[in-house]
This record gives sequence, C-alpha cells and structure tokens, in this order.
Amino acid sequence: RKEVEQDPGPFNVPEGATVAFNCTYSNSASQSFFWYRQDCRKEPKLLMSVYSSGNEDGRFTAQLNRASQYISLLIRDSKLSDSATYLCVVKSTGGFKTIFGAGTRLFVKA
Amino acid sequence: ETGVTQSPTHLIKTRGQQVTLRCSSQSGHNTVSWYQQALGQGPQFIFQYYREEENGRGNFPPRFSGLQFPNYSSELNVNALELDDSALYLCASSLAASYSTDTQYFGPGTRLTVL
Repeated sequence: RKEVEQDPGPFNVPEGATVAFNCTYSNSASQSFFWYRQDCRKEPKLLMSVYSSGNEDGRFTAQLNRASQYISLLIRDSKLSDSATYLCVVKSTGGFKTIFGAGTRLFVKA
Repeated sequence: ETGVTQSPTHLIKTRGQQVTLRCSSQSGHNTVSWYQQALGQGPQFIFQYYREEENGRGNFPPRFSGLQFPNYSSELNVNALELDDSALYLCASSLAASYSTDTQYFGPGTRLTVL
C-alpha cells in the first residue's frame, strides 16, 4: 500500500463546476498536510496547508480527518486556469520526510 | 518566483555515467530537499540536508548522494546512471528542518534523460 494515495483522475469538468479531490495516508504519526499544484512541466507550488479545523482560501477548501487519515480539497466555481495536477503531501514528525501522492489531473473546459 | 534555482535545466547522459545537479536555495533557507519525479508520478523524496548534514533519506540506493555547502547551496550526485533514473529532479528549500509545518519552495527542476 502506498503511503499517500489519491484519486487517480483525470477529472474533466466544465467551468463553474465544483470538484473534490480525496487523499488518504497510511502513517498515523504524520504531522503536517498540504495540497500543492503542479502545472505541466513546472515545479510544484504550495496551494494550501491543511488543518484539522479545515481551512478555506477563496474558492478552495481543505479538510483533514485524522481519525480516518483522510484529506480533501474542494474547488468551487472552477476556472480554466485551475487546470493542473493537484498533489496531496504529508510530512512526518520532525519534518524531514515529505511524501507526495501521485497527483490528480484536473481539466477544466469552457 | 521562489528564488530557488537549479542547473542545468536539461541534461542527457548515457547509462553508466555520473551526473551532478546543482541547487541554489532561497535566501535565508538552511534546509534543502531533493526529489525525483518520474513522468506521471508525484515527486519521490531522495534526501534532505540541514546545515551541511544529511538529515533524512528516502528509499534510494547509495549511488544517489549529496552535499550541502556553507552557503546552503546543494548538489545531487548520481553514479552509474540507469535508464530508470530518467526523471525531473527537483530541489526544495525551507527555513528549518525540524518544523514539519515549514513550507518548501521548489526550484524549476533539472530534466535528466539517460540513454
């Protein structure tokens, strides 16, 4: 079993749609959680950190469920510019080991 | 722009050769991590350096080695290249290795092709 697993995708959605990505992690001692965005042939960029209380940044909402070892990302009112690969990221205690999921590709179409 | 730079941008090598990739961290950052990203996969953690010492390592063989210099720039060395080493190699800098919440800033990567 992979340490971090994501929806395989790709997701094809029309502009304005709401889309949700799911991610599970296997190490219950994991401490920090993030969503990164990666455009084609570019480096990953931090989208948002994920907290147990949930957090929102504009059209993006991230949730963490420690009991179920589950992380989610919700994108509302999708834009063409949201088309990218979304990477779920988990960091271990001490912060030295960072595990990325394989990513979920999102295509937003006009 | 993250302020993290990598060189070279692209590189082509043949099987069995050795390669050195370079990374310059964002100003003020003392920690650098290296990742390998194969096509269609997420980045895989290779190792992390904190204040010139290896601070943690992923599941990569010893032929993957690294250095961090006093100015916190870093090198990734790969010996005896194999075809499966073809990938995008990313470095990421951050402020402190011990803070798991610390944000990593990625460089643009070096795309290595092994023929």
